Amino acid sequence: DGGITQSPKYLFRKEGQNVTLSCEQNLNHDAMYWYRQDPGQGLRLIYYSQIVNDFQKGDIAEGYSVSREKKESFPLTVTSAQKNPTAFYLCASSIQLQNTEAFFGQGTRLTVV
Amino acid sequence: QKEVEQNSGPLSVPEGAIASLNCTYSDRGSQSFFWYRQYSGKSPELIMSIYSNGDKEDGRFTAQLNKASQYVSLLIRDSQPSDSATYLCAVTFGGSQGNLIFGKGTKLSVKP
Repeated sequence: DGGITQSPKYLFRKEGQNVTLSCEQNLNHDAMYWYRQDPGQGLRLIYYSQIVNDFQKGDIAEGYSVSREKKESFPLTVTSAQKNPTAFYLCASSIQLQNTEAFFGQGTRLTVV
Repeated sequence: QKEVEQNSGPLSVPEGAIASLNCTYSDRGSQSFFWYRQYSGKSPELIMSIYSNGDKEDGRFTAQLNKASQYVSLLIRDSQPSDSATYLCAVTFGGSQGNLIFGKGTKLSVKP
């Protein structure tokens, strides 16, 4: 089945810990994205990548880091510098960066305990 | 400033009625427009895309785009309780930082 797989579905983080959220796609898409969604809020762009070994900051990149070593994979690390990390994290991909449809994984719900 | 505006709702319609969802955007140069449906606790699901002025129909859904007015809408005919969800409007902003910007969504409730 072609699609976007995010793992884990639920993640709990202790204060001061870094955690990494996985996102893998087998759609052969060049562009990948990470969004954050807070309750009752829209999606806010954290990072995006147009191609392997290239990524750009979105609107709320502080406290997050990404890598794009393979076309299929775009992991997101939530660092201890992110002061309010509890949120629903969504990974998406599209054929190219502009003017094409983006498809989402099932999301990872991160909670700080 | 990239902005996509939607009425947060909730929009309540009776079963079988037409639901009309609206969205405005700030960048006159935007070229791509999308509607996503998001059920509570789930990820967004793409239901419509539209790229040129006019109407685009897909089953019970019709997307309408008016670039001069910077306005895009989604009509849902014969609304069903299963259509109850939050509908997100998304717009691709061009230029050197092409990316997909989402509105905050309109919550639709279809009453049996």
